[in-house]
Amino acid sequence: QKEVEQDPGPLSVPEGAIVSLNCTYSNSAFQYFMWYRQYSRKGPELLMYTYSSGNKEDGRFTAQVDKSSKYISLFIRDSQPSDSATYLCAMRGNSGYSTLTFGKGTMLLVSP
Amino acid sequence: GAVVSQHPSWVICKSGTSVKIECRSLDFQATTMFWYRQFPKQSLMLMATSNEGSKATYEQGVEKDKFLINHASLTLSTLTVTSAHPEDSSFYICSAKGGAEQFFGPGTRLTVL
Repeated sequence: QKEVEQDPGPLSVPEGAIVSLNCTYSNSAFQYFMWYRQYSRKGPELLMYTYSSGNKEDGRFTAQVDKSSKYISLFIRDSQPSDSATYLCAMRGNSGYSTLTFGKGTMLLVSP
Repeated sequence: GAVVSQHPSWVICKSGTSVKIECRSLDFQATTMFWYRQFPKQSLMLMATSNEGSKATYEQGVEKDKFLINHASLTLSTLTVTSAHPEDSSFYICSAKGGAEQFFGPGTRLTVL
């Protein structure tokens, strides 16, 4: 079993839809959870960062972490064509030396 | 968010030459920087972790003599691909850790002819 599982998609939705992106993980030591957006041929851009369980909201984006289920989600409200990109979940442990473990990324396509 | 820059954004070189890629954290100090490699439609593969003033820690399977990393200051790390070959062609991305968050550069596309 991979440490982080993420459906590669593509996920196609119409403009204005609510998008739900998810990752599951197996390592209970993970404490920091991040979502990155990556456009083609660009570096990943940090969207959301959450420590431990709970929800975090930033504009149209909401990140949720359920450590009991080892399940994290990113919701995008009122999706726009400019949201079309690959979304990577990433997580790491508490140690300052721990490195990020990434999901494979989900490609999202928002059609006008 | 914090800004990480990378230079050059793309480079084409002949087989056997060496290529240096620079990574800078522009508005924060990064005690730890990371170098990743990404193939088309694949996720990021960590190559090495570098801490300012100390030797880089390479991931298993990454040749340290081929991929030389220097973390000269809290805002600059360099990756040198030595004696590059076509199989080294890839998208190289640096990352810098600012506190608990980790920020990525825009990437460097290397093509070795």
